[in-house]
Amino acid sequence: RKEVEQDPGPFNVPEGATVAFNCTYSNSASQSFFWYRQDCRKEPKLLMSVYSSGNEDGRFTAQLNRASQYISLLIRDSKLSDSATYLCVVRNSNYQLIWGAGTKLIIKP
Amino acid sequence: GAVVSQHPSRVICKSGTSVKIECRSLDFQATTMFWYRQFPKKSLMLMATSNEGSKATYEQGVEKDKFLINHASLTLSTLTVTSAHPEDSSFYICSARVPSGTGELFFGEGSRLTVL
Repeated sequence: RKEVEQDPGPFNVPEGATVAFNCTYSNSASQSFFWYRQDCRKEPKLLMSVYSSGNEDGRFTAQLNRASQYISLLIRDSKLSDSATYLCVVRNSNYQLIWGAGTKLIIKP
Repeated sequence: GAVVSQHPSRVICKSGTSVKIECRSLDFQATTMFWYRQFPKKSLMLMATSNEGSKATYEQGVEKDKFLINHASLTLSTLTVTSAHPEDSSFYICSARVPSGTGELFFGEGSRLTVL
């Protein structure tokens, strides 16, 4: 089993729709959780950290369920510019980042 | 925010040659840097952890003699792919950890290596 697993993609979504990404991790000792965005083989950029209480940043909402070892990212009112690959990332106690394979999102006009 | 720069962004080389990729932290000192490799449509794979002034720690399955890492200063880590072969063609990315606060990681722009 992979340490971090994400929904296989791609997701083809019409503009304005809401899209949800799911991610599970296997190491219960994982300390921190993030969603990164990666465009066209460029470096990944931090989208948002994920906190136990859940957190929101504009159209983006992240949730963490430690008991189920599950992380989610919700994008509301999707824009064409949201098209990218979204990577679920988990940090272990050695500060190493364990990356999911990513889910490609394609927003269609 | 903190900036990490990689150079070169793209390199094409002949099989058998060695290629050096630099990773610099531009406005902070990074005692720890990480090197990743990304295959097409795959996640980033951690190759090694680079510690300033000491030997790098390699992940299982990564050949230390093939991927030489040097972290000679607090702002520079280098990855040298020795005797490169076509299967080494990939996208290599480095990250540097901010030593204070949450230890956030900042990523370089990545280096695309193509071995002919």
